[in-house]
Amino acid sequence: DSGVTQTPKHLITATGQRVTLRCSPRSGDLSVYWYQQSLDQGLQFLIQYYNGEERAKGNILERFSAQQFPDLHSELNLSSLELGDSALYFCASSLAPDSSYEQYFGPGTRLTVT
Amino acid sequence: AQSVTQLGSHVSVSEGALVLLRCNYSSSVPPYLFWYVQYPNQGLQLLLKYTSAATLVKGINGFEAEFKKSETSFHLTKPSAHMSDAAEYFCAVIRISSGSARQLTFGSGTQLTVLP
Repeated sequence: DSGVTQTPKHLITATGQRVTLRCSPRSGDLSVYWYQQSLDQGLQFLIQYYNGEERAKGNILERFSAQQFPDLHSELNLSSLELGDSALYFCASSLAPDSSYEQYFGPGTRLTVT
Repeated sequence: AQSVTQLGSHVSVSEGALVLLRCNYSSSVPPYLFWYVQYPNQGLQLLLKYTSAATLVKGINGFEAEFKKSETSFHLTKPSAHMSDAAEYFCAVIRISSGSARQLTFGSGTQLTVLP
């Protein structure tokens, strides 16, 4: 158990809908990262938040947005969903900035868009 | 840009045999490299990391990896495979763009099958 929690575990929704994925980082970790894992794209970095502020951005679509709240939990919002958004979405956390560079991953949320 | 390439999307070994999973990196700066393992229906677990200290890195579950700058490689090995090692393995490099900004770039993964 990494200490990172994600809810829900599974999500099934229809095209055009909007969903929110939630992540609670390990106790003491200030950074939260979102990654997408799909069969055709593999594991891709989406976005990082550090202490409430956006720090790094990857291949995140404009239809997707994220935020980190004062209690450090984070939410990833996916809107106008398409079939291709079906994937496993991982949240990770780390102490960053620190010199270990380790990121601890949650169990993921499996999103199915029908 | 930093990247990693994993050679072989599927590797099969017999139980008790040597495990060798290959990873090559591309980086214009000294890289920080990681191996993660993903068991079915689970998240990623860190096996080991290289952050410019010792070139031979020991990780959990008997795995180790050697950083070879001359070969731009960071291959993962285990002397004797166990059935419980069956999983998908990912090599990754971390990009540090400023202060607290971090992002992992993953390879495409290698599915390890252990045969009885």
